[in-house]
Amino acid sequence: SQTIHQWPATLVQPVGSPLSLECTVEGTSNPNLYWYRQAAGRGLQLLFYSVGIGQISSEVPQNLSASRPQDRQFILSSKKLLLSDSGFYLCAWKEYGGAPSSYNEQFFGPGTRLTVL
Amino acid sequence: RKEVEQDPGPFNVPEGATVAFNCTYSNSASQSFFWYRQDCRKEPKLLMSVYSSGNEDGRFTAQLNRASQYISLLIRDSKLSDSATYLCVVTNTDKLIFGTGTRLQVFP
Repeated sequence: SQTIHQWPATLVQPVGSPLSLECTVEGTSNPNLYWYRQAAGRGLQLLFYSVGIGQISSEVPQNLSASRPQDRQFILSSKKLLLSDSGFYLCAWKEYGGAPSSYNEQFFGPGTRLTVL
Repeated sequence: RKEVEQDPGPFNVPEGATVAFNCTYSNSASQSFFWYRQDCRKEPKLLMSVYSSGNEDGRFTAQLNRASQYISLLIRDSKLSDSATYLCVVTNTDKLIFGTGTRLQVFP
């Protein structure tokens, strides 16, 4: 069966510090991968998605970046965190095939709760 | 206007009650529709997809009205365990758009 892991579960970082959040998926090959952010009182916002190794699409301009160095590994990074980067970061995957909006269910990881002080 | 709008609630209902949530979307070209459930401080999980003809899964019934661009979720015989936030999700050409969610609290 497929599983998705995210770490760390919680993180408190000072403004201006770097960030690296990792997501890995097991039990599937060549999945589509996604990074979302959920700020307090707001809906999930798609940040990045990837349909293959080294292929990253950015949805919103920001000081975050994403990389996919391996098939089932997706990393979210920042060189300098802002206060506005605080939120609940969720990684998700779906079966390979089609655009990110296609019918297949997306499965979410447990998330990382980031607080920038 | 938000792409997906939901009443944030909370909806406070007693056990056994029937409760309905609505969601409206702005993009008439949206192709697929879902309801996700999110427990407090947890990740969202798919509750059910929404089909054009409407669909039912146990106590849950989803309806889609393309002409009016709204989606509904009906929960019958509410359980304490139904307490959660229900997210309406709509797709357009290349991404999922999430509503901010409707919070449901079922009390004994």
